[in-house]
Amino acid sequence: DIQMTQSPSSVSASVGDTVTITCRASQGISSWLAWFQQKPGQAPKLLIYAASNLQSGVPSRFSGSGSGTDFTLTISSLQPEDFATYYCQQAHNFPYTFGQGTKLEIK
Amino acid sequence: QVQLVQSGSELRKPGASVKVSCKASGYTFTTNAMNWVRQAPGQGPEWMGWINTDTGKPMYAQGFTGRFVFSLDTSVSTAYLQITSLRAEDTAIYYCARDLSSGWFDLWGQGTQVTVSS
Repeated sequence: DIQMTQSPSSVSASVGDTVTITCRASQGISSWLAWFQQKPGQAPKLLIYAASNLQSGVPSRFSGSGSGTDFTLTISSLQPEDFATYYCQQAHNFPYTFGQGTKLEIK
Repeated sequence: QVQLVQSGSELRKPGASVKVSCKASGYTFTTNAMNWVRQAPGQGPEWMGWINTDTGKPMYAQGFTGRFVFSLDTSVSTAYLQITSLRAEDTAIYYCARDLSSGWFDLWGQGTQVTVSS
């Protein structure tokens, strides 16, 4: 199975800041990567697919980049509603696998 | 409105079975595969497998074979997850998630809490 490792596991930031979350795959996955946002008591929400494609309806302050094994999710100009847990997920091989999550907290 | 609506929370004793439903609306059910995802308490999501909603053919991830069964009733646009011989470690939230294409989960149900306790 492909292991997905996110860093950091948690990060504190203020409204208006820019935050970057990293995801590393244990083997090359080309651009077969998605990013999700999950708030307490809610289902995950797709933000980015194919490493850099913004899902319809997702604000443009969210962006993704990378290919191969190293990927980043950048959130610019943080808004109060962005404080949540973020997960990466590879769709290159079965079984699809998720990272362990990055919790974004308010400083 | 495009949505997936899952059945409500379930409490079962060890050894019992449970069947979770996921009803789709607002789109053609057989166009997109349906995935099942488990999220144990305090953990990240874990992909269980998916079912081809056109052919009914399921695919299970390792660790979800034998006791886990995906099925469909296309007449009511509903996917099902059945778990037999429940164990305490099956306690989790179970989600259905539509496959946009090639593994992109663009639409999720609200989740079904399954609790296994004596």
